[in-house]
Amino acid sequence: VRLVDSGGGLVQPGGSLRLSCTASGFTFSRYAMSWVRQAPGKGLEWVSLITGSGGATFYVDSGKGRFTISRDNSKNTLYLHMNSLRAEDTAVYYCARASGWSYLDYWGLGTLVTVSS
Amino acid sequence: QSVLTQPPSASGTPGQRVTISCSGSSSNIGSNTVNWYQELPGTAPKLLINSNDQRPSGVPDRFSGSKSGTSASLAISGLQSEDEADYYCAAWDDSLNAYVFGTGTQVTVL
Repeated sequence: VRLVDSGGGLVQPGGSLRLSCTASGFTFSRYAMSWVRQAPGKGLEWVSLITGSGGATFYVDSGKGRFTISRDNSKNTLYLHMNSLRAEDTAVYYCARASGWSYLDYWGLGTLVTVSS
Repeated sequence: QSVLTQPPSASGTPGQRVTISCSGSSSNIGSNTVNWYQELPGTAPKLLINSNDQRPSGVPDRFSGSKSGTSASLAISGLQSEDEADYYCAAWDDSLNAYVFGTGTQVTVL
């Protein structure tokens, strides 16, 4: 199992960014996937989850209306579209495979998002 | 603000047993299984314990998990220097419809 996160970078407050996570080594469509972030010097914060089919999505309260999780099962790729970014969204964002909706058993290496003017 | 509460730090000498608590509520730990993650310095988090007390393949048996009511615990028996890391509990919360992490505990090997 391998997860490769990408798409992070420096963005101005109010801007947008799309993160990607390319998966390999397992049947991607059979698993829910999540995004988790970690602000500098802070703990882990779950951001979003999408079911294997993409039919259901869930978000942390601070991301509702601003973040959209999606997936392309034909490309084995997970996405996180982030709009109206704020300084407090600055963090390393990890994608993770969700096993049975209950636990995150494989993680990517993370991609850094910095929101600053 | 996390809904799962952990002590900010724990420590022990090599070979000692260290226990980390995780306190939640009826909507998370009380209703769903608890998982534990280990974050070594500079690395991505790693699943340590799933489903309250199950060790994934490759996790040493000195790590063990338990759950009772709305609380859970992670025990490290025979503490080793490579166990210095941050540890997080986590569970699905039925009221928030969200996955919640604990506040995290930094373990130091003296």
